Amino acid sequence: QVQLQESGPGLVKPSETLSLTCTVSGGSISSYYWTWIRQSPGKGLEWIGYVYYTGRSFYNSSLKSRVTISVDTSKNQFSLKLTSLTAADTAVYYCARAYMHYHYMDVWGQGTTVTVSS
Amino acid sequence: EIVLTQSPGTLSLSPGERATLSCRVSQSITSDYLHWYQQKSGQAPRLLIFGASTRATGIPDRFSGSGSGTDFTLTISRLEPEDFAMYYCQQYGVFGQGTKVERK
Repeated sequence: QVQLQESGPGLVKPSETLSLTCTVSGGSISSYYWTWIRQSPGKGLEWIGYVYYTGRSFYNSSLKSRVTISVDTSKNQFSLKLTSLTAADTAVYYCARAYMHYHYMDVWGQGTTVTVSS
Repeated sequence: EIVLTQSPGTLSLSPGERATLSCRVSQSITSDYLHWYQQKSGQAPRLLIFGASTRATGIPDRFSGSGSGTDFTLTISRLEPEDFAMYYCQQYGVFGQGTKVERK
């Protein structure tokens, strides 16, 4: 049974960079699209982007200039970096496993709350 | 860019009733790429239906999906107490805004 667990700081200052890691257990990180999604308070789901185990990545066009998603196959982890943070980036951040081609997400982490505040 | 519009925004129903949720896509898509999720308060979303009509592992058969082209539907045949939640449709990197199924 594959499980995902997000980790990272819960509080980040404006203009700084957010770094989150998702650890994959119970299965290999090879294959699938390893995805980040966020949800602002009281809002819907926003897809951030994904990385394939080869390192190939694809991002939401609205965040593309600030986002990097990378993978470390030796640690079975993938990571999110989001730069130039503002209060609008305050959200619950989820990592998820997405099926290639079809992009449905069948395994999700529990989510980690990130607050951007000074 | 594709837009997914869900309706209604809120559905007020009683246990045992039938729920019909709509997801309209701004341009025709292959049904293989339309998926549905359930999200309960404070929890991560859970995959319900993928490819428009295939139930994910462990999903009860009271949940069904249908549709093609630009119009897709999630139906809950008889609402159980645990079904009151938010429901989202998704295609690639786009989610609908969600439908809240609340207890009447």
